[in-house]
Amino acid sequence: EDQVTQSPEALRLQEGESSSLNCSYTVSGLRGLFWYRQDPGKGPEFLFTLYSAGEEKEKERLKATITKKESFLHITAPKPEDSATYLCAVANQAGTALIFGKGTTLSVSS
Amino acid sequence: GAGVSQSPRYKVTKRGQDVALRCDPISGHVSLYWYRQALGQGPEFLTYFNYEAQQDKSGLPNDRFSAERPEGSISTLTIQRTEQRDSAMYRCASSLTGSHEQYFGPGTRLTVT
Repeated sequence: EDQVTQSPEALRLQEGESSSLNCSYTVSGLRGLFWYRQDPGKGPEFLFTLYSAGEEKEKERLKATITKKESFLHITAPKPEDSATYLCAVANQAGTALIFGKGTTLSVSS
Repeated sequence: GAGVSQSPRYKVTKRGQDVALRCDPISGHVSLYWYRQALGQGPEFLTYFNYEAQQDKSGLPNDRFSAERPEGSISTLTIQRTEQRDSAMYRCASSLTGSHEQYFGPGTRLTVT
């Protein structure tokens, strides 16, 4: 069964304190791993897609990496505006749906 | 350009009533998805359309839930004889094709009293 587990559930950082969010996945044939950001009261906002182990994507202070079992979202020198819930998802075998983890809620204080 | 839009944004209905939730995808997006999201959880898949064809409805909880996309653009998710357990945020997403990233709408918050 396709499954996504994210850790930690919540993470509190000081501004400038770099860290990583983890996404462990089990899927029968990776068709894409997706990272989304979700602000309170809003829909998920697309960040990155990763398709194969070793691939990396970057956007501002965020960098996503992937191995055969895990993906990491690295946050370098975070700012308070990076506070949000970060969701990880994998495409199912049929490619008809995303299977989401429960998310990591990041709080960055100044 | 315009993103995915959903209406209504909030819907309060009495138990036993039918509700219809609307999704207007990004123009030109072939694929359309419905999800349901509980508080503190990631979105949970309900159903998928490729153009007007409903190709996967494996996530619909029971036969009170149905969806259509008759002209391959706007979609409607209908819940008949609503129950309190149907209360949730319903989200629509669209993508260029089935293999591309999905873009989500703001959601419809359904409350069944």
